[in-house]
Amino acid sequence: NAGVMQNPRHLVRRRGQEARLRCSPMKGHSHVYWYRQLPEEGLKFMVYLQKENIIDESGMPKERFSAEFPKEGPSILRIQQVVRGDSAAYFCASSPPKAGTSTEAFFGQGTRLTVV
Amino acid sequence: AQTVTQSQPEMSVQEAETVTLSCTYDTSESDYYLFWYKQPPSRQMILVIRQEAYKQQNATENRFSVNFQKAAKSFSLKISDSQLGDAAMYFCAYKGGNNFNKFYFGSGTKLNVKP
Repeated sequence: NAGVMQNPRHLVRRRGQEARLRCSPMKGHSHVYWYRQLPEEGLKFMVYLQKENIIDESGMPKERFSAEFPKEGPSILRIQQVVRGDSAAYFCASSPPKAGTSTEAFFGQGTRLTVV
Repeated sequence: AQTVTQSQPEMSVQEAETVTLSCTYDTSESDYYLFWYKQPPSRQMILVIRQEAYKQQNATENRFSVNFQKAAKSFSLKISDSQLGDAAMYFCAYKGGNNFNKFYFGSGTKLNVKP
């Protein structure tokens, strides 16, 4: 059973370009979370999705950022018109359908986005 | 809002010795869980140990144990018989209340293990 798969591992974009980060949850998991880790900081919650639904996007910047988790295929975090401040590691985590408070989230290895 | 504070940016320990990493949190909720995650240079987030707030007994996983002081809102991690492979960033995390699906992470403690 493969873990949470994120790709690419590293992504370099020029200012103004678009970045698309992909996350395939663990098999059987229908809940996906995205977190951002700035240098020297802990992970900060961005968005929580279930299949075809955004459940909580309270951590998403109001502009340029969007996320989706379609019925088929991976979850996508999309950043439009990237700026240098978007440079960070972006982590995806997944949990099973009946996840409760105690359930750990299984994390991917992250995508390191560098904006030049 | 829930906050998690790790006041030690970096710690060092001699191989085979014991080290304690500190974590405090702030919450008004009564039902919650606390976690310690390890992040080696590979960036993979690895669960080390978890503690349910309603349990008074401190959680233990092999060489890793916690000192959970609910009244003081303190959740420290003790690593016994430290090994070179323990060197990593360690993050304390909180989850609970009405939003059971959102982790709040501390800023991390970098642990160095000296041979």
